[in-house]
Amino acid sequence: AQSVSQHNHHVILSEAASLELGCNYSYGGTVNLFWYVQYPGQHLQLLLKYFSGDPLVKGIKGFEAEFIKSKFSFNLRKPSVQWSDTAEYFCAVTSSGGDDKIIFGKGTRLHILP
Amino acid sequence: GAVVSQHPSRVICKSGTSVKIECRSLDFQATTMFWYRQFPKQSLMLMATSNEGSKATYEQGVEKDKFLINHASLTLSTLTVTSAHPEDSSFYICSTGGQGSLGNQPQHFGDGTRLSIL
Repeated sequence: AQSVSQHNHHVILSEAASLELGCNYSYGGTVNLFWYVQYPGQHLQLLLKYFSGDPLVKGIKGFEAEFIKSKFSFNLRKPSVQWSDTAEYFCAVTSSGGDDKIIFGKGTRLHILP
Repeated sequence: GAVVSQHPSRVICKSGTSVKIECRSLDFQATTMFWYRQFPKQSLMLMATSNEGSKATYEQGVEKDKFLINHASLTLSTLTVTSAHPEDSSFYICSTGGQGSLGNQPQHFGDGTRLSIL
């Protein structure tokens, strides 16, 4: 069955710490991968996406993610987090063709201590 | 089990038909629900924010008369695509959560509705 797994449900870091949020997927065929962020009380916003090409994708706000096909992973990273990064982060996957139903991970709640 | 139930999962209908999509929160009360659409090979796009007991807030470029949103109770929001045309064919998904004074309620997604207009 198609699925997305986010390893950490809740992460707490201090400002300036480095961040890596894990995401693994189980999906047959070629995929498109996304990371979304939801700040408290707001809707989802796209951080970055991977469709093809360079597996290291750079997004907004200093975030990046690396698609490792052999590991079915698309981990999100940021070298130095800020208090304003406190939010919930969702990894998502769709097929690159045909049925484009999006599948979300359960989310990782990130809390940055000032 | 599912926390948000979205129905139907797939709709195929003729041009000019109106289609209603329901989004129900099963285990909690949702004062706010979000409606998104996704075109192939694109990311989610927020269409509107549905607020219980008041008018929905639409994003720029989204026709409020075409995409009618009703949030009459704390557990149900509906999106009606009126007089649908082939360009409305897309994947529609609802979500709840992220609310509360601290925005600390969990986010839950419906399974989505694939709308195909012939």
